[in-house]
Amino acid sequence: NAGVTQTPKFRVLKTGQSMTLLCAQDMNHEYMYWYRQDPGMGLRLIHYSVGEGTTAKGEVPDGYNVSRLKKQNFLLGLESAAPSQTSVYFCASSYEGGYGYTFGSGTRLTVV
Amino acid sequence: KQEVTQIPAALSVPEGENLVLNCSFTDSAIYNLQWFRQDPGKGLTSLLLIQSSQREQTSGRLNASLDKSSGRSTLYIAASQPGDSATYLCAVNSGYSTLTFGKGTMLLVSP
Repeated sequence: NAGVTQTPKFRVLKTGQSMTLLCAQDMNHEYMYWYRQDPGMGLRLIHYSVGEGTTAKGEVPDGYNVSRLKKQNFLLGLESAAPSQTSVYFCASSYEGGYGYTFGSGTRLTVV
Repeated sequence: KQEVTQIPAALSVPEGENLVLNCSFTDSAIYNLQWFRQDPGKGLTSLLLIQSSQREQTSGRLNASLDKSSGRSTLYIAASQPGDSATYLCAVNSGYSTLTFGKGTMLLVSP
């Protein structure tokens, strides 16, 4: 009954540090997405993937990189964290683009 | 670029009231429109999906309507309960394999 699992759930980084957020889904979904949610800004798409080995840029991709080496995993990397990247990050997956979304519970990231 | 707007940003009602949440979008060329619910500190849960060819969808006390030509959708909640307290988000699929979200309406239903 896992669905979409995000790790870690909380993290505090210092400016300039790097980290990777992991998203794992067990529903055999082709599509996976990374969103960030900020107060007053709503959910904004960072990067997404339409299948294993593919990635594409979303609305706010700068400062982030992603990889989809395995169908069930979608990794979001921050190479040099900045305070502007303080946010709640949500991963989602879907069986078809724009249909049947399942969201993870989020990662709260603070960059100091 | 598709833009999604939700009004009101926040709503507080007493238990038992019927209420309407509004969503508007700028580009009427959509594939579907979806309503999600988000509880504090949690992820999003899908509530209803309306295909572009449909006018409305119902699930229990929830009814969502879609007027594609005018770029509007409404989510109607009948006989509201304290357990309905959450943020409700509208999202539009414009055919690029992704969803564009509104900023949400924060609903508080008091006993």
